[in-house]
Amino acid sequence: QQQVKQSPQSLIVQKGGISIINCAYENTAFDYFPWYQQFPGKGPALLIAIRPDVSEKKEGRFTISFNKSAKQFSLHIMDSQPGDSATYFCAASDSNYQLIWGAGTKLIIKP
Amino acid sequence: NAGVTQTPKFQVLKTGQSMTLQCAQDMNHEYMSWYRQDPGMGLRLIHYSVGAGITDQGEVPNGYNVSRSTTEDFPLRLLSAAPSQTSVYFCASSPDIYEQFFGPGTRLTVL
Repeated sequence: QQQVKQSPQSLIVQKGGISIINCAYENTAFDYFPWYQQFPGKGPALLIAIRPDVSEKKEGRFTISFNKSAKQFSLHIMDSQPGDSATYFCAASDSNYQLIWGAGTKLIIKP
Repeated sequence: NAGVTQTPKFQVLKTGQSMTLQCAQDMNHEYMSWYRQDPGMGLRLIHYSVGAGITDQGEVPNGYNVSRSTTEDFPLRLLSAAPSQTSVYFCASSPDIYEQFFGPGTRLTVL
């Protein structure tokens, strides 16, 4: 069974702090690693994604770090804001139209 | 552009009843998929389609049927509803194998 393991399940961070969410995968054939953000009552929306040929990708305050040898990748949110409070999902795909999803992390940013 | 639309938003069924969840997209995307989202389990793929007339099973297809007669529509049929199918259902479409655009979801309760 292909799996993507995500931690922590929930996370509380002070405004202005750094939020870090981690994911680990097993299938070395995975070649696409997106992070999705979901607000209550809405569908998930793509936040940022990375391919395994780079170790880091940054878009604004959001950064993906990727460690191919450890089969791990993580999302860092710098200067976390209350508007970042949401559930975050990591996922992985081996280009066969199927995304394998992590269980999600509920992030709360305290003002 | 309406994006991905889903109807109904909420539905309550009795065990054994059947129903169809509707999904439509106006972005001319070839790829469409259905997911269910349960607490602590992330999103699990039910069925997907890579174009009109082509469908395939995902991770949890049992108890669900799909068809894709047009590019725009991808309905999901519950054949005989069971309490285990109580969940939030998301439809998504994608122009390629990467970014997926999600609808707002259907919250289904089976009594």
